[in-house]
Amino acid sequence: GNSVTQMEGPVTLSEEAFLTINCTYTATGYPSLFWYVQYPGEGLQLLLKATKADDKGSNKGFEATYRKETTSFHLEKGSVQVSDSAVYFCALSARANDYKLSFGAGTTVTVRA
Amino acid sequence: ETGVTQSPTHLIKTRGQQVTLRCSSQSGHNTVSWYQQALGQGPQFIFQYYREEENGRGNFPPRFSGLQFPNYSSELNVNALELDDSALYLCASSSGGQSSYEQYFGPGTRLTVT
Repeated sequence: GNSVTQMEGPVTLSEEAFLTINCTYTATGYPSLFWYVQYPGEGLQLLLKATKADDKGSNKGFEATYRKETTSFHLEKGSVQVSDSAVYFCALSARANDYKLSFGAGTTVTVRA
Repeated sequence: ETGVTQSPTHLIKTRGQQVTLRCSSQSGHNTVSWYQQALGQGPQFIFQYYREEENGRGNFPPRFSGLQFPNYSSELNVNALELDDSALYLCASSSGGQSSYEQYFGPGTRLTVT
């Protein structure tokens, strides 16, 4: 079946540091890949997405590239801010799984001033 | 444009009771999906409704049931509550019957079963 494995946290960084959160997936066919962010006490917000191999999703300074050869979709940001403190979820959806979203366990990121 | 709303925000129930959670989809969306997020874990898909019909179900027992109404709002019902049902319940709406399209999440309902 489909599954997502992402880097375990928590991750603690200083402001302006470089952030990478690793995500790898297992899926039948050609899934769409997503990063969602969850701020404290809130629901999930779509951060970025990629729907085919080599696509790069980007938003708010975050980027992730759909790498089919390594089945990965790592999230990166060059210079984090305190406001980026949140839980980040990698997710996929695929036709073979009726397009339901399958999520990783989440990575908690804390950015210190 | 109105986003996805859920009610109530928080709920405390006793084991064995029944609960109903509500979700209003984003304007223009006809598909609603429900997810359960246990503490410290990623959301798990419960089921999806498209045009008032169930359109896919995750690995949840039959005591988890749902409805979608003509205005595309939705309810999640859980019977015979168990302690392990304590979680954040998230509703997401999208357009079209397939969730490969972007899903927009509500703020969630925090259910505590004691």
